[in-house]
Amino acid sequence: GNSVTQMEGPVTLSEEAFLTINCTYTATGYPSLFWYVQYPGEGLQLLLKATKADDKGSNKGFEATYRKETTSFHLEKGSVQVSDSAVYFCALSDYGGSQGNLIFGKGTKLSVKP
Amino acid sequence: DAGVTQSPTHLIKTRGQQVTLRCSPKSGHDTVSWYQQALGQGPQFIFQYYEEEERQRGNFPDRFSGHQFPNYSSELNVNALLLGDSALYLCASSLGGVGEAFFGQGTRLTVV
Repeated sequence: GNSVTQMEGPVTLSEEAFLTINCTYTATGYPSLFWYVQYPGEGLQLLLKATKADDKGSNKGFEATYRKETTSFHLEKGSVQVSDSAVYFCALSDYGGSQGNLIFGKGTKLSVKP
Repeated sequence: DAGVTQSPTHLIKTRGQQVTLRCSPKSGHDTVSWYQQALGQGPQFIFQYYEEEERQRGNFPDRFSGHQFPNYSSELNVNALLLGDSALYLCASSLGGVGEAFFGQGTRLTVV
């Protein structure tokens, strides 16, 4: 079945460091891919998405490129801030691009120190 | 716009009891999905409601059931609670099941 695997955390970085959180997926067909972020005490928020191969999603300085050949969707940010501390979830949807039935990875907790 | 609201925020139930969780979707949204998030895990899809019908269902037993009302709000019911049902239950709404899904802050259910 479809699944998402993301690097285990926690990840601890200093402010202004480069961030990469790896995400790979297994899916039949052509899923849409997403990164969600969960700040402490809050619900999930969509960070970025890509709906087809080679698409690059970007938002708030974060980027991820849909790589079909490597079945990957790694999250990157060039310079993290303390306010980026949160749990990040990679997810896929194979229901025609709907976000109604998302399959999530286990999440990666990021802590950014000043 | 209040966004997606869930109630209650926290709940403690005894094994074997039944529980009902509630969700009001974001204004203008007509589709509600429910997820279970165990501690340290990613959310797992339970089911989705659209036009008052269950449209999709994840791999959850029949003890988990739901309902959607004409105003698009939704309930999640869990019967015969098990200790393993302890989790954060998230509701997400969207328009027609496509486009961005907005999540509520969740209901923390503890089964003792």
